[in-house]
Amino acid sequence: EAQVTQNPRYLITVTGKKLTVTCSQNMNHEYMSWYRQDPGLGLRQIYYSMNVEVTDKGDVPEGYKVSRKEKRNFPLILESPSPNQTSLYFCASRPGGFWGTDTQYFGPGTRLTVL
Amino acid sequence: AQKVTQAQTEISVVEKEDVTLDCVYETRDTTYYLFWYKQPPSGELVFLIRRNSFDEQNEISGRYSWNFQKSTSSFNFTITASQVVDSAVYFCALSEAEEYGNKLVFGAGTILRVKS
Repeated sequence: EAQVTQNPRYLITVTGKKLTVTCSQNMNHEYMSWYRQDPGLGLRQIYYSMNVEVTDKGDVPEGYKVSRKEKRNFPLILESPSPNQTSLYFCASRPGGFWGTDTQYFGPGTRLTVL
Repeated sequence: AQKVTQAQTEISVVEKEDVTLDCVYETRDTTYYLFWYKQPPSGELVFLIRRNSFDEQNEISGRYSWNFQKSTSSFNFTITASQVVDSAVYFCALSEAEEYGNKLVFGAGTILRVKS
């Protein structure tokens, strides 16, 4: 089954404790991205990747890091989480790199709470 | 800069009523794509439709229909004979073809509550 998977689905952590949210897709998509969803703000892009070893900042990258060492994986790293990073996070992927305009498909979401 | 506005924060209807969710967008590109996603209470994002800027034909899929009007920069979504299972948050989104990164810009979402 073609899908985007994220782990963990739920996470409660404390301020300053490094964490990684994994994202994996099995569709051989070039493009992957991370979004956060906050009430009243919709979803906002954090980082995206056009292909392996090619990553760039989205609209709200502060406090986050990403890496793209393999095509299928795009982990989101919070080196020192803070309470304002409490949010619902989505990973997405689509075919096509730079000029790709196909529909993005989203993972199931990761609900993160930082105390 | 691109922007999507969903002015209706929350809508409540009774089952079998028709309901229209509004979406107004701003873009300077001539080539762009509009999307609707559904987020049920379980939290996942479900893709509903993608429409490119050169195709202004209205789309109907079962009880769902979409009205795309470039003249008013709107891409409204109508659910006919609503059902309780339609209760969800609905997001409208825009992607500009010529913007580096082709990010999706989302509206704030409209919460739809369908009561039995």
